[in-house]
Amino acid sequence: DQQVKQNSPSLSVQEGRISILNCDYTNSMFDYFLWYKKYPAEGPTFLISISSIKDKNEDGRFTVFLNKSAKHLSLHIVPSQPGDSAVYFCAARFNAGGTSYGKLTFGQGTILTVHP
Amino acid sequence: EPEVTQTPSHQVTQMGQEVILRCVPISNHLYFYWYRQILGQKVEFLVSFYNNEISEKSEIFDDQFSVERPDGSNFTLKIRSTKLEDSAMYFCASSKSRDWSEQYFGPGTRLTVT
Repeated sequence: DQQVKQNSPSLSVQEGRISILNCDYTNSMFDYFLWYKKYPAEGPTFLISISSIKDKNEDGRFTVFLNKSAKHLSLHIVPSQPGDSAVYFCAARFNAGGTSYGKLTFGQGTILTVHP
Repeated sequence: EPEVTQTPSHQVTQMGQEVILRCVPISNHLYFYWYRQILGQKVEFLVSFYNNEISEKSEIFDDQFSVERPDGSNFTLKIRSTKLEDSAMYFCASSKSRDWSEQYFGPGTRLTVT
């Protein structure tokens, strides 16, 4: 199942700089997208989401951009902090009255390392 | 801040044995989910549960798996006869609504089948 792909297994960034994590999807029926952060031995922690009717959503240091025509989304973290070092997953779901009851389809994850 | 809890954190069992993984979702949430992550692989959807019945399940969720909400707080995943390939992290999640609502995950149960 390759409907959601994160092509970069890892990303290394200097503290204070911008981290950009990318995600591509193939199924045009997806219309709600989420980013999760995961530390070792913990469950995924919700970060930010975006619906397909928007192209940008911002929450503090985190901004998600959605390009529907390219079937691409990205998560920007500015400024990056060492505590942001974790695995980041993008996830997608069918939504809004469809037959899906919330099933999330995840990407493989990108390991972000923020160096002091 | 309310959170999803799961017990046990680690379960070791022998092949063929039954296991029950337990979850306490966030109290005002109505939708409940199980996911799993085999080491080195993606997080995969298993099943969603709403109004005391399964609303959606994946191909992984075969007759060996069952879910139950035995009371107003617990949500369980049972594997009747475990196989080696069931070894994985199992995550429970819950959400307030089906649409436009994020899912909140528990810390997971690491299941090791020997």
